[in-house]
Amino acid sequence: GQSLEQPSEVTAVEGAIVQINCTYQTSGFYGLSWYQQHDGGAPTFLSYNALDGLEETGRFSSFLSRSDSYGYLLLQELQMKDSASYFCASPYNFNKFYFGSGTKLNVKP
Amino acid sequence: EAGVTQSPTHLIKTRGQQATLRCSPISGHTSVYWYQQALGLGLQFLLWYDEGEERNRGNFPPRFSGRQFPNYSSELNVNALELEDSALYLCASSIARQGSSYEQYFGPGTRLTVT
Repeated sequence: GQSLEQPSEVTAVEGAIVQINCTYQTSGFYGLSWYQQHDGGAPTFLSYNALDGLEETGRFSSFLSRSDSYGYLLLQELQMKDSASYFCASPYNFNKFYFGSGTKLNVKP
Repeated sequence: EAGVTQSPTHLIKTRGQQATLRCSPISGHTSVYWYQQALGLGLQFLLWYDEGEERNRGNFPPRFSGRQFPNYSSELNVNALELEDSALYLCASSIARQGSSYEQYFGPGTRLTVT
């Protein structure tokens, strides 16, 4: 199957900026989604990049570069409540849905 | 607007038994997706239903099956349960068969424990 690779854990301090990277296999790739999941909670949709470039939604931004098979999620002005796991995901061929293994973000005061 | 609902919240079964998990999508959503999330791991795609039909499945054995009803709710059945089936089973829904599947709305999950 297709795979999306992301770091397992990232730590940052409150108020800082953090970038979570995701690399992916290109065959059947249509675009990159990002989801947030708090411990014990359900994943919630954050953003989707169908085209190259930056998509901004408040403190969160997501970027895609198809030529590099790479994307990232950028979180600014980190807050304690941003401590969660973040997953990149892709609807390969729009009929199979692959998620990365998740990046656990620890925000420290 | 009600979100995706799943039942039961927790389910305890013994090895060899069958489990049935249920999901109701957001009103207006026709696609339902099932995922398995083992403790501390990512989501593994299980099944996708749309308009009452199975559209695709992930790399899981045939003992994982399901269906979608005319009201778009869905059921996941796991036969001949094995210990490694213990996981959180998440259901998600989206608006349309294609084009919107990148934005999925998840339910709270069913925690299945096999002893």
